[in-house]
Amino acid sequence: AQSVTQPDIHITVSEGASLELRCNYSYGATPYLFWYVQSPGQGLQLLLKYFSGDTLVQGIKGFEAEFKRSQSSFNLRKPSVHWSDAAEYFCAVGAGGADGLTFGKGTHLIIQP
Amino acid sequence: NAGVTQTPKFRILKIGQSMTLQCTQDMNHNYMYWYRQDPGMGLKLIYYSVGAGITDKGEVPNGYNVSRSTTEDFPLRLELAAPSQTSVYFCASNQVGRGNTEAFFGQGTRLTVV
Repeated sequence: AQSVTQPDIHITVSEGASLELRCNYSYGATPYLFWYVQSPGQGLQLLLKYFSGDTLVQGIKGFEAEFKRSQSSFNLRKPSVHWSDAAEYFCAVGAGGADGLTFGKGTHLIIQP
Repeated sequence: NAGVTQTPKFRILKIGQSMTLQCTQDMNHNYMYWYRQDPGMGLKLIYYSVGAGITDKGEVPNGYNVSRSTTEDFPLRLELAAPSQTSVYFCASNQVGRGNTEAFFGQGTRLTVV
């Protein structure tokens, strides 16, 4: 069965500092990987996705993620965070079908002024 | 382009009442899903559908039912509401095969059972 682990429940970062959110996955085949962001009271917005090809993926809002097959990881990065980046971030694996998308439990990002 | 639309946005139910959460998508996606989100638990799959007339259980289907009579609509039914069903519910859709896409989500329905 597929699974996703986000080891950090909460992360606090100063505004302007760099950010890395960790994601490890377990999947039986070549994974489809996603990062979603959820602002309070809102739905999930896709930040970026990896289906195949270049392992460094660029997304919206200045985010990027790198797929590392050997480490089963898909970490999300941003060089300089803004206060508006404060939100819940979810990593997910899967392409739909019987298992749908499997989500991690999320990382709550807090931005310090 | 509306994407995935869920109604209602909020609802309070009494124990034992029933209700239907509506979901519709205008992207002609074949797959549709219902998830529930509980604090600190991520999203859990309740039911999914691979196309009109075909549905199947996900990880947490107990207490829920679904139907998919058209490509666009995928309602979720709660027959006898229980406090354990207090949650935020998200509907999603994507295309699988003939051009896979990511999942698109509705804005969610916040349900409280008292």
